[in-house]
Amino acid sequence: QKEVEQNSGPLSVPEGAIASLNCTYSDRGSQSFFWYRQYSGKSPELIMSIYSNGDKEDGRFTAQLNKASQYVSLLIRDSQPSDSATYLCAVRKSGGGSNYKLTFGKGTLLTVNP
Amino acid sequence: NAGVTQTPKFRILKIGQSMTLQCAQDMNHNYMYWYRQDPGMGLKLIYYSVGAGITDKGEVPNGYNVSRSTTEDFPLRLELAAPSQTSVYFCASSRLVRQGSNQPQHFGDGTRLSIL
Repeated sequence: QKEVEQNSGPLSVPEGAIASLNCTYSDRGSQSFFWYRQYSGKSPELIMSIYSNGDKEDGRFTAQLNKASQYVSLLIRDSQPSDSATYLCAVRKSGGGSNYKLTFGKGTLLTVNP
Repeated sequence: NAGVTQTPKFRILKIGQSMTLQCAQDMNHNYMYWYRQDPGMGLKLIYYSVGAGITDKGEVPNGYNVSRSTTEDFPLRLELAAPSQTSVYFCASSRLVRQGSNQPQHFGDGTRLSIL
């Protein structure tokens, strides 16, 4: 099992719809979870972080964390063409000397169609 | 605010040449990281540093070297360039991370490197 898994996509949604991006992770003790957006040819930029079980909302973005099921998701409401990008899930492992390193998934390509 | 600055933005090397990718951050971050990203793939950690004078290997360190003489700078050295090192290289930094904290990593704009 890969450490951080995401559906590679592409995920295609119409403008105004809800885009749902999912991520699963293997280390049950993982502490922190991040969603990065990466436009083609650009660097990753942080859009959401979540630490506790449940939902965290920021504008049109909602991150959902379920540690028991080891998944984290990102919902984008009222999707816009400008949301078209690759979304990277990143997980910070637990404890010891590795709790500052992130493990990234391969990313999900989202296309929002006008 | 400059954040994380990488130079050069683009470079073409011949097989066997060497070069240094520069990375500097002005946020007084303790931790710095080098990643490579191949097409359609996620980010793979090459090396990281938890402070000046302290570096350690990541997932894919072969063919690379790093040093951290100051808090601000974290250069990545390729000694004998090989075609397999053609990639996009990202430098990142973060604050001191305590257990369970949500300190994110901040990325530079990347260096696109081709080895021919």
